[in-house]
Amino acid sequence: DTAVSQTPKYLVTQMGNDKSIKCEQNLGHDTMYWYKQDSKKFLKIMFSYNNKELIINETVPNRFSPKSPDKAHLNLHINSLELGDSAVYFCASSYWTSADNEQFFGPGTRLTVL
Amino acid sequence: GDSVTQMEGPVTLSEEAFLTINCTYTATGYPSLFWYVQYPGEGLQLLLKATKADDKGSNKGFEATYRKETTSFHLEKGSVQVSDSAVYFCALSDLGNTPLVFGKGTRLSVIA
Repeated sequence: DTAVSQTPKYLVTQMGNDKSIKCEQNLGHDTMYWYKQDSKKFLKIMFSYNNKELIINETVPNRFSPKSPDKAHLNLHINSLELGDSAVYFCASSYWTSADNEQFFGPGTRLTVL
Repeated sequence: GDSVTQMEGPVTLSEEAFLTINCTYTATGYPSLFWYVQYPGEGLQLLLKATKADDKGSNKGFEATYRKETTSFHLEKGSVQVSDSAVYFCALSDLGNTPLVFGKGTRLSVIA
């Protein structure tokens, strides 16, 4: 029944490692997003995809590489993790043609880089 | 660019007190406006939304009215409960499919 799911929920890793976060939605949406929430709770868009095509890349370091194998999935791979990458990463989805762009969020992945 | 400004927290209230969290925005177009809530340890949930001027969004006793003349979307609740303790985010979406622009969040603590 989960609408937008993310795995893992928690991720603790060492600096320099490479890690991936996965997101899946079963709402039939065609647009998906990654947001980053920093330690002060500030939320900022990182990427958005529509029908597997990258639409927005908000000046995110190229160590971050999103991939959308199909409309229902959006993954985020992070190379050479740095301390500053510690944050909560939220996936969201919506309809591209939605009149109000209401977005549905996953539960978040808390990434801690040691 | 588009931006959202909401009142700094934290806000601490006693149960049954009246709540107002101020939110103002700047946008180039005619945005949709949202309030999202994040309960401790959880993800974001949509609380309410409004898509045009003078629309009132409401849910779980919370209300907010889209005021185009003052570019505001203040969140109100007449009588808060301990279970309302959370972080509240005001957000906008300008144009149909652009990412949400969020305010910095306001942490609300309600004490019994």
